[in-house]
Amino acid sequence: AQTVTQSQPEMSVQEAETVTLSCTYDTSESDYYLFWYKQPPSRQMILVIRQEAYKQQNATENRFSVNFQKAAKSFSLKISDSQLGDAAMYFCAYRSPSNTGNQFYFGTGTSLTVIP
Amino acid sequence: NAGVMQNPRHLVRRRGQEARLRCSPMKGHSHVYWYRQLPEEGLKFMVYLQKENIIDESGMPKERFSAEFPKEGPSILRIQQVVRGDSAAYFCASSPWAGAREQYFGPGTRLTVT
Repeated sequence: AQTVTQSQPEMSVQEAETVTLSCTYDTSESDYYLFWYKQPPSRQMILVIRQEAYKQQNATENRFSVNFQKAAKSFSLKISDSQLGDAAMYFCAYRSPSNTGNQFYFGTGTSLTVIP
Repeated sequence: NAGVMQNPRHLVRRRGQEARLRCSPMKGHSHVYWYRQLPEEGLKFMVYLQKENIIDESGMPKERFSAEFPKEGPSILRIQQVVRGDSAAYFCASSPWAGAREQYFGPGTRLTVT
């Protein structure tokens, strides 16, 4: 089974600064999807950014970007110009593109604190 | 287009009672997934259903847990004879087809067993 590892249980960043959250995964598949989800105190899972493994270009969504290293099986999230509203739990997730067994595999999360 | 809806948002049950969690997928979505999030953990897959069919229940405990997605109405996750260890947030997600890239998550149901 695929595994997703987030080795940073907690991170903090000064407002307006940049922070990088780490994620590694283990898979034998060559094609797959990777995601970062944000979970604020409301517990709603909010999609932040996604990456298709076949794409070499790193995904970017406004202040959020990823560093996808396929050979190293690494998928880190960079948040630039951090804002107070970015404070939340962040989960890295993996999904196979197959028509069966297409559930998400989540990491254990990183709790991000933004310091004013 | 309304998102994935789950109810109730909060559910309190005493040990030994039954818990019923409901999930209405997004309009046009016929694939539903249930996940459980224990305190301080990430979401863990439980079961994947299409209308009237269970496709993958590999993550669901063998006893006391069951799920259904009838032809009409919401998907139901049922937990019989709840125990304290069942206290968790239960999330439902839906997708329009089996190979869809994304799943859209509901707000979750927080189950507390006293």
